[in-house]
Amino acid sequence: GAGVSQSPSNKVTEKGKDVELRCDPISGHTALYWYRQSLGQGLEFLIYFQGNSAPDKSGLPSDRFSAERTGGSVSTLTIQRTQQEDSAVYLCASSPQRGGGETQYFGPGTRLLVL
Amino acid sequence: QKEVEQDPGPLSVPEGAIVSLNCTYSNSAFQYFMWYRQYSRKGPELLMYTYSSGNKEDGRFTAQVDKSSKYISLFIRDSQPSDSATYLCAMSPIQGAQKLVFGQGTRLTINP
Repeated sequence: GAGVSQSPSNKVTEKGKDVELRCDPISGHTALYWYRQSLGQGLEFLIYFQGNSAPDKSGLPSDRFSAERTGGSVSTLTIQRTQQEDSAVYLCASSPQRGGGETQYFGPGTRLLVL
Repeated sequence: QKEVEQDPGPLSVPEGAIVSLNCTYSNSAFQYFMWYRQYSRKGPELLMYTYSSGNKEDGRFTAQVDKSSKYISLFIRDSQPSDSATYLCAMSPIQGAQKLVFGQGTRLTINP
């Protein structure tokens, strides 16, 4: 079946502009995660959605970052007033169940470059 | 200090060699331990998954967890050029936060 998909694959923007990144999780997966991967760094947790529960936003680096998940499926990560340090690969993952240690399935990522 | 430490490498070995990749961690609450493989310009994919201490073997791959030392390892036997990728360790507590905590990743190259 289809895996996690993300769009766009690449995004180049100017400093100060807003960007929207999209994630389509695997059908039926209730949990959805956003991570950021900077050059030479591991994955940095951003936000977690589980069903209809309030999202865990504890990893969002600033109030310029926000995310929503509509209808328990597609998610959009929005970065307002982008800065050069926002340049990174943004990865989305989904998981079929809740609980510590669940397997997460990753999308290919969106490569964001802020000039 | 980071919760999970992983040598970023790069690590370069000849084909057929045994590869050892390692992570250390500081949070004793971690119970689930994973290794992800990430090819260039791709998302990470789950390679191995272990719960608590012990060994797990899957083909040429063996994962080891030593909770007393807060140390996990991934061994690759008979390494192949197709194993060239970045390997990320990840871990999670049994309850509480759902997010995985990742190591920095080790970039591995297997030379033919």
